[in-house]
Formats: sequence, C-alpha cells, structure tokens
Amino acid sequence: RKEVEQDPGPFNVPEGATVAFNCTYSNSASQSFFWYRQDCRKEPKLLMSVYSSGNEDGRFTAQLNRASQYISLLIRDSKLSDSATYLCVVYLSGRRALTFGSGTRLQVQP
Amino acid sequence: DTAVSQTPKYLVTQMGNDKSIKCEQNLGHDTMYWYKQDSKKFLKIMFSYNNKELIINETVPNRFSPKSPDKAHLNLHINSLELGDSAVYFCASSLTGGTSFRNYQETQYFGPGTRLLVL
Repeated sequence: RKEVEQDPGPFNVPEGATVAFNCTYSNSASQSFFWYRQDCRKEPKLLMSVYSSGNEDGRFTAQLNRASQYISLLIRDSKLSDSATYLCVVYLSGRRALTFGSGTRLQVQP
Repeated sequence: DTAVSQTPKYLVTQMGNDKSIKCEQNLGHDTMYWYKQDSKKFLKIMFSYNNKELIINETVPNRFSPKSPDKAHLNLHINSLELGDSAVYFCASSLTGGTSFRNYQETQYFGPGTRLLVL
C-alpha cells in the first residue's frame, strides 16, 4: 500500500465549479500535513498547511480526519489559473522527511 | 531574489558519463534535500542534509553522491549515468528538517528543477 494515496484524476471542471480532492495516508503517526501545488514543468509550491481543526485560505479549505487518516482539499469558485496538479503531503518526524502523494490533476475549463 | 536555485536547468548527456547538479539556498535554512520526479510525476526523496550532516539516504544507487560544502549548498554528483536516471531532479530546503512539529518549520521550498535526459 502506498504511504500517501490520491486519485490521479484528471478532474475536468468548468470555471466557477467547486471541486474536492481526497487523500489517505497509511501511517497513523504522521504529524504534519500539507497541500502543495505543481504547475506543468514547474516545481512544487506550498498551497497550504492542514491543521486538525480544518483551515481556510480564501477559496481553499483543507480538512484533516486523523481517525480515518484522511485529508481533503476543497476549491470553491474554480479559476482557470487553478489548473495544476495538487499534491497531498505528509510529514512523519521519525522519518524526518515529507512523503508526497502522486498528485491529482485539475483542469479548469472556460 | 531566488530562494532555492539549481544549475543547470537542463542536462542532456550520454550513458556512462559523470555529471553534477548544484543547488544553493539563501533562506538561511538548516536542511536541504534532493528529490527525483520520474516520468509518472511521482516525487521521491533521495537525500537530505541537516547542517552539512547526512540525515536521509534512501535506497538510491551509490552512483549518486550528495555533497554539502556548507549548509547553503547541496550538490548531487552522478557517476556512470544510465537511461533510467532520466528524470527531473528537485532540490529543496526547510528551516529545521525534522526537529520540529510545527508545520511552518517543515515547509519545504523547492528549486526550479533540473531536467536530466540520458541518451
């Protein structure tokens, strides 16, 4: 089983749509959680951290469910510029490294 | 002002050659990393250094050797290049690299990547 699993997509949505991505992780001792965004032929960039109580940053909302080992990202009012691959990322202090999911591709269409 | 920089951006070379990729960060971070992103876009850690000390050394062929002359630099040298080494190699840095539970200290900042093609 992969340490971090994501649906690869692609998710094709019209502008203005709401879209949700899910991610599951296998190690219950994981401590920190992130969503990164990677544009085509570019480096990954931090989109937002994910906190236990859930957190929001503008149109983006992240949720964490430790009991189910599940992380989600909700994007409201999708823009063309949201088209990218969204990487679910988990940190385990014992391993001292981030573990990346393989990413979910989003294509927002006009 | 570039935070994490890598050179070269593109590298095309023949099988069997030896090549190096350089990475520098000006963020004052303690920890630097090398990742490999293969054709399926899966990003996998190879090495990390904390203050010039090797922390992580994943199952990587010993043809790959990282070198950290100081905490702002982490270079990757690859001997006897093989076709399967073709990938994008990303350097990254973080503030503490594994000694903190605080998200912001574990956030990693990536360089632009080096696209390596072995012919």
